[in-house]
Amino acid sequence: EPEVTQTPSHQVTQMGQEVILRCVPISNHLYFYWYRQILGQKVEFLVSFYNNEISEKSEIFDDQFSVERPDGSNFTLKIRSTKLEDSAMYFCASSMKPYEQYFGPGTRLTVT
Amino acid sequence: AQSVTQLDSHVSVSEGTPVLLRCNYSSSYSPSLFWYVQHPNKGLQLLLKYTSAATLVKGINGFEAEFKKSETSFHLTKPSAHMSDAAEYFCVVSPSYSSASKIIFGSGTRLSIRP
Repeated sequence: EPEVTQTPSHQVTQMGQEVILRCVPISNHLYFYWYRQILGQKVEFLVSFYNNEISEKSEIFDDQFSVERPDGSNFTLKIRSTKLEDSAMYFCASSMKPYEQYFGPGTRLTVT
Repeated sequence: AQSVTQLDSHVSVSEGTPVLLRCNYSSSYSPSLFWYVQHPNKGLQLLLKYTSAATLVKGINGFEAEFKKSETSFHLTKPSAHMSDAAEYFCVVSPSYSSASKIIFGSGTRLSIRP
């Protein structure tokens, strides 16, 4: 069964560094998303992406964040200058229809 | 605005007994509703979904949920719990089925299974 994959599974970085989280969505999906889950808190929406552009973003998704679909298979989330409060589990999701999202296993980001 | 409330942060049941995880939603129009499960150190797995078809929805691993519009509820049930069901369960509402929009997660219910 096709699945969303994410790399790396765990990323440790120093405050102020740039990180890129990578996702490979399911191949025939059209909609792509990033969510995050700070330890002990709810899963929060960050951004949705369709037709090579951002379709919606939350207030969390400020200028430090960007997303890209550099080729036909990858979907990346970049954090330009990480802060301690960016430490979280980041989930990528994709869907054929906008409301039925399939999630990847997540990348745990630890900012020290 | 849409919202979803999971009424119990933690539920503990004995193996072989029924499971009930409660979820209430608020939506200004007919929502799409989902249950996701997250096992420790794993991603989010779709258990089942309601998208305005049958109100009783069957999912994987013996789970089912019933959409009750009058009660604005979408409770998750399973007749007989198994040790492997121990996980975090999230009730989710989709604001719209026609746009690439965010889905809204409940705060989660941790299900523990006693031997």
